[in-house]
Amino acid sequence: SSELTQDPAVSVALGQTVRITCQGDSLRSYYASWYQQKPGQAPVLVIYGKNNRPSGIPDRFSGSSSGNTASLTITGAQAEDEADYYCNSRDSSGVVFGGGTKLTVL
Amino acid sequence: QVTLKESGPVLVKPTETLTLTCTVSGFSLSNARMGVSWIRQPPGKALEWLAHIFSNDEKSYSTSLKSRLTISKDTSKSQVVLTMTNMDPVDTATYYCARIGSSGWYLAFDPWGQGTLVTVSS
Repeated sequence: SSELTQDPAVSVALGQTVRITCQGDSLRSYYASWYQQKPGQAPVLVIYGKNNRPSGIPDRFSGSSSGNTASLTITGAQAEDEADYYCNSRDSSGVVFGGGTKLTVL
Repeated sequence: QVTLKESGPVLVKPTETLTLTCTVSGFSLSNARMGVSWIRQPPGKALEWLAHIFSNDEKSYSTSLKSRLTISKDTSKSQVVLTMTNMDPVDTATYYCARIGSSGWYLAFDPWGQGTLVTVSS
C-alpha cells in the first residue's frame, strides 16, 4: 500500500499563516482529508475533498493540492489551533493516513 | 445528531481474539453509500486505518492486517463489529469507529466515536 509523509513538527507565531503538507503517490489520484486531534480527544475532520470545510470549522482552515502534495493552510493561527494534524486519502487498496504533524502556536 | 460509540474489552490477553462493537445513531447503516470504518492509534503514535464496510456490504481491509480482521454490520441494531484475531501487545491502542463520507475523489471520516483503549497484556 502507499504512504503519506508529513513533517513531524511545525511551529507558527500567533496570528501568522502556516502550511502543513502531506506527500504521497495516492495524492496524484485522490484528494486528501485533514484531521485535527487535541490531546486526549478523538480526531475532528477539518478539510475534505478539493477544499471543503465541515460545518463549524472556521474559515481560516483551507486545503489545496498540487501533484503528489496536499496542503492544509491555517491563515491567522490561533492558540486553540495547537494540535496534531493528520492527512488521509484513498489509495489502491483502501485508505492511508499520514504520520501526523504536531503544530505549535508560539 | 450523528454519534458513534465504541464498546468492547479494555484488556485482552496475547493470542486472544478482540471483538469491538460500534453503535451508531442519527443515521442508518442501510442508507445508500453509508459506511463505517475502524481506525486505531497506539499510545503516542499515528492513526492507522483498519477496515471499512458500506451499506451495500462492500468491505475493505488494511493490507497488513487483512488476515486477522473481519468487519460486519447488523443494520437492525445499528452496529458495526470488528474482530481481530491473535492479539499481540503491539496491538495496544485506542480503537475508533467513524462514519465515512466519500466520493470517487476522497474518503473522509466524520464524525468519530470517542474511542476505546484496548490493552493487550497477560
